[in-house]
Amino acid sequence: GAGVSQSPSNKVTEKGKDVELRCDPISGHTALYWYRQRLGQGLEFLIYFQGNSAPDKSGLPSDRFSAERTGESVSTLTIQRTQQEDSAVYLCASSLAHGVGQPQHFGDGTRLSIL
Amino acid sequence: AQTVTQSQPEMSVQEAETVTLSCTYDTSESDYYLFWYKQPPSRQMILVIRQEAYKQQNATENRFSVNFQKAAKSFSLKISDSQLGDAAMYFCAYRSAGLANAGGTSYGKLTFGQGTILTVHP
Repeated sequence: GAGVSQSPSNKVTEKGKDVELRCDPISGHTALYWYRQRLGQGLEFLIYFQGNSAPDKSGLPSDRFSAERTGESVSTLTIQRTQQEDSAVYLCASSLAHGVGQPQHFGDGTRLSIL
Repeated sequence: AQTVTQSQPEMSVQEAETVTLSCTYDTSESDYYLFWYKQPPSRQMILVIRQEAYKQQNATENRFSVNFQKAAKSFSLKISDSQLGDAAMYFCAYRSAGLANAGGTSYGKLTFGQGTILTVHP
């Protein structure tokens, strides 16, 4: 596709359930980033992928959060045993490389609501 | 660690007028990039303008320009001839230029401010 695609667009689930969020980056983009945006706030960095390795996981808030990436394509962010504080919009971005000259292109995000 | 602060939770402007959004940041690095992103209700983050810290000249993109004051660590966005379509949440963001810094490796991740909601009145 032309841009970064995220699915689902919205997800409502019960506390304690596991959820999986998907990101399809722009074709050819080797760098992929996940961010979290709580209501009315800025984005918080979660994890960075270069290819299918994750050299920076420093933003993952707890061990309930994990992510993986298949080659230089799809990435999934998994949240286990969801808590109400996990409610947020989860945004994915990709770029050609992690070089700072490369702009990050964002998807529309997944709005996660934990009941 | 770097921090970005936007002290104006909300701003408003009349259509065709000019508005300035403020941003300050804290860093010990000398080389970095600063960005302004726009987020309409559709949630997509749209890059508005970018500034390299080593460039003294302020960046300009059509009606959007910045006032970059490196010594003051200030990076404000000016929107001229405001249009209804400019209404959105605006975020200031910082990105290290180095692959490694005193705190570790940045890998180009963005550090965002809290955002400013801009309302444009017809």
